[in-house]
Amino acid sequence: DGGITQSPKYLFRKEGQNVTLSCEQNLNHDAMYWYRQDPGQGLRLIYYSQIVNDFQKGDIAEGYSVSREKKESFPLTVTSAQKNPTAFYLCATTGDSNQPQHFGDGTRLSIL
Amino acid sequence: QKEVEQNSGPLSVPEGAIASLNCTYSDRGSQSFFWYRQYSGKSPELIMFIYSNGDKEDGRFTAQLNKASQYVSLLIRDSQPSDSATYLCAVKPPGSARQLTFGSGTQLTVLP
Repeated sequence: DGGITQSPKYLFRKEGQNVTLSCEQNLNHDAMYWYRQDPGQGLRLIYYSQIVNDFQKGDIAEGYSVSREKKESFPLTVTSAQKNPTAFYLCATTGDSNQPQHFGDGTRLSIL
Repeated sequence: QKEVEQNSGPLSVPEGAIASLNCTYSDRGSQSFFWYRQYSGKSPELIMFIYSNGDKEDGRFTAQLNKASQYVSLLIRDSQPSDSATYLCAVKPPGSARQLTFGSGTQLTVLP
C-alpha cells in the first residue's frame, strides 16, 4: 500500500519530556513537511525537507527538531522547550513543489 | 492582513443547494491554489487544485480562480450532508519551493 504513515495516533507528554512523532512514506517523494494545527485554525509549517540530510525551519520551528537521514522518514521531536505542544500534528509529502501535498492521518499530542 | 483569508463561516446550506466558499490571498505572484476538505478529527484531503485563471470542474466541484482580483473560490453543486466539513484554502507563494500557506478554513454544514 502506498501512502504516508504517522504514528502514534495519540501521544501524551509529561512536563520536561521530549517526544518523537514518526512520519514514514513509501511514495518515493523528495519533499516532506510537518504542520501543526490548533483547534479552529489552519495549518502552520514547523519544518520541511526537500532532500535527504537537509531540512529548513518553517514559521514556528522553536521548540521542535527534525532529522532526515532517509528519504522515507522525517521524524519530528517535540522538545521540552515547546511550552504549548497540545495540537494536531500533520506530516505531508509531495514529489514536486508545484504539485499538491498529501497528508498522513496525523498525531494528536496532549500534555499529561 | 493575513496572507490567505477565507470567509469565516460557519456556512449552512440546505441539501441540494450550491455551497460557495471563498478565499483571498495577498501575494499577487502566487502560482498554485488548492482546496482541501477536512472532516472533524481527520487530516485534510485534497479536493481540487487550479493553476490558471478561469474555472476548473471535477464532478460536483468547481474551482474558480481570478488572479487579477486575487481570489479563488470553490463551488459545491447539489450539496450533500456528507459534504459537511471544514474546507481549507491553500496557496503556494511565488518563488517558494517549500510550502503552502493555509487559510484558517470555512466550516460548511449541509442540512438534510
